[in-house]
Amino acid sequence: NAGVTQTPKFQVLKTGQSMTLQCAQDMNHEYMSWYRQDPGMGLRLIHYSVGAGITDQGEVPNGYNVSRSTTEDFPLRLLSAAPSQTSVYFCASSYGTSGSNEQFFGPGTRLTVL
Amino acid sequence: GESVGLHLPTLSVQEGDNSIINCAYSNSASDYFIWYKQESGKGPQFIIDIRSNMDKRQGQRVTVLLNKTVKHLSLQIAATQPGDSAVYFCAENMDDYKLSFGAGTTVTVRA
Repeated sequence: NAGVTQTPKFQVLKTGQSMTLQCAQDMNHEYMSWYRQDPGMGLRLIHYSVGAGITDQGEVPNGYNVSRSTTEDFPLRLLSAAPSQTSVYFCASSYGTSGSNEQFFGPGTRLTVL
Repeated sequence: GESVGLHLPTLSVQEGDNSIINCAYSNSASDYFIWYKQESGKGPQFIIDIRSNMDKRQGQRVTVLLNKTVKHLSLQIAATQPGDSAVYFCAENMDDYKLSFGAGTTVTVRA
């Protein structure tokens, strides 16, 4: 299993540009989520999905869109990039059962918005 | 999250000594807690978890203690090794599968 994969690893955007951060998992996990991590802070939840076709907002959803057309993929879209969105973005997935909901994280995408 | 006074952002420990990392959580209804380790340039990696019906859980060289009375969580690492140098995060299960992370503690192991 590749686990959780994210592309690209690094990205530089200009203010106002749009882009999509890709996330895929091959563990057949129902639950997937996107976090951002800023210096000196923990991870903050952007959006999450409890299954294909179902998404919901997390703590900091503004400026981001998500969709979940398949169980495997959960892309994060920046509609009009702003310098405040400079951050490291992590995708995570878990089984999403009533038992352990340990989340498996991808390696991250480091985004800089100029 | 973490409260000021219990959470230390950095911890320096001598190789071979035991490390204790503290975390205070915010929601008394949280029923599941996880400790993650994050090495430089990598995503968080699961270390150990504990449910609210337990006070203590042990793994390989790690022990998590949960004190629900004061909403406090700690991670103990036995015989700390250079490979233990990383940022450690506690996370609480707020609602369904949503986790709330603390700011993290940077552990540096001195040779």
